[in-house]
Amino acid sequence: GDSVTQMEGPVTLSEEACLTINCTYTATGYPSLFWYVQYPGEGLQLLLKATKADDKGSNKGFEATYRKETTSFHLEKGSVQVSDSAVYFCALYNFNKFYFGSGTKLNVKP
Amino acid sequence: SAVISQKPSRDICQRGTSLTIQCQVDSQVTMMFWYRQQPGQSLTLIATANQGSEATYESGFVIDKFPISRPNLTFSTLTVSNMSPEDSSIYLCSVQPARPQDTEAFFGQGTRLTVV
Repeated sequence: GDSVTQMEGPVTLSEEACLTINCTYTATGYPSLFWYVQYPGEGLQLLLKATKADDKGSNKGFEATYRKETTSFHLEKGSVQVSDSAVYFCALYNFNKFYFGSGTKLNVKP
Repeated sequence: SAVISQKPSRDICQRGTSLTIQCQVDSQVTMMFWYRQQPGQSLTLIATANQGSEATYESGFVIDKFPISRPNLTFSTLTVSNMSPEDSSIYLCSVQPARPQDTEAFFGQGTRLTVV
């Protein structure tokens, strides 16, 4: 069945460091791919999405490119801030269902 | 986008009791979903609730334990029945907009449930 695998955390970075959180997926057909962010005590918020191969989603300095050849959707940011500290979930949507990765906790230190 | 109001935001309940969680959306939506997020883990889909029909439960979840109502296109409730400490989790309501081309899901802020 469809599934999402993302790198385990926690990831601890200093402010202004580069971020990559790996995400790979298994799916039939042509899923849409998402990154969601969950700040402490809150629900999930959509960070970015891509609906077809080679699409790049971007928002708030974060980017991810839908790579069908490697079945990946890695999240990147060139310079993280303390306010980016949160849990990040990779997800795919296929045939009316969402599948979420296990989440990666990011800690950014000043 | 959709704005989702979920109540209560948190509760501490005695084992053996039941809690009903409400989810109100600011627009009409076709599909509403209920998820469970156990501490430090990802989201697990409990059931899908469509207006006018019975909810569809995922493997491992049953209607007697998690009855769901969906009386209209903007509202749903999830009840956690006969609670035990293992039910301590965050419960999240999620919706997808009515337009088929809108694939992203929107989430409520969650209900943090602690069963003692």
